[in-house]
Amino acid sequence: AQTVTQSQPEMSVQEAETVTLSCTYDTSENNYYLFWYKQPPSRQMILVIRQEAYKQQNATENRFSVNFQKAAKSFSLKISDSQLGDTAMYFCAFISNTGNQFYFGTGTSLTVIP
Amino acid sequence: GAGVSQSPSNKVTEKGKDVELRCDPISGHTALYWYRQSLGQGLEFLIYFQGNSAPDKSGLPSDRFSAERTGGSVSTLTIQRTQQEDSAVYLCASKSGGVRNEQFFGPGTRLTVL
Repeated sequence: AQTVTQSQPEMSVQEAETVTLSCTYDTSENNYYLFWYKQPPSRQMILVIRQEAYKQQNATENRFSVNFQKAAKSFSLKISDSQLGDTAMYFCAFISNTGNQFYFGTGTSLTVIP
Repeated sequence: GAGVSQSPSNKVTEKGKDVELRCDPISGHTALYWYRQSLGQGLEFLIYFQGNSAPDKSGLPSDRFSAERTGGSVSTLTIQRTQQEDSAVYLCASKSGGVRNEQFFGPGTRLTVL
């Protein structure tokens, strides 16, 4: 079975600073996909960034980037130049290439302090 | 186009009553998921529909929970004889074919069982 672990229930960062959210996962699969989702107070989950396990290059989307360490089964999210609108719950998720089910971590609540 | 919609956005019910939660996925999306999100928790998988295939019901917590998807589009999650521990936000997501494709989430239904 796949598991996803987010060990930081809460984090805070000063506006304009950089913050890194941690995520580790456990799987015996070799091909899979990893996602970071953001859930602001409005409850609307939106995709932040996606990584394909067979790609060695770390994904980047504007201020958001990941540090994907396949051997260590680690998938951290770095947010640069933090903005007040980044305040939200962040969920790490996993799906194998052969599966149907997404596995989510328990989330990290991020607060950006003005 | 329109995103995933869910109704109602909030539902308050008395213990023992039945409730129905509705999800309208994005048109053309073949996969539909239901999740439960309890306060301070991650997303708990409930059920997955893919096209005309038999649904994956492995996440349903008890036989009080059921779901159907009519015509490969709208889905209804039914909870019979609600209990206080059923109080949570119920999220629906849909996605198009391909494992790598992201899920698009609805805004959720907040269920409160008194």
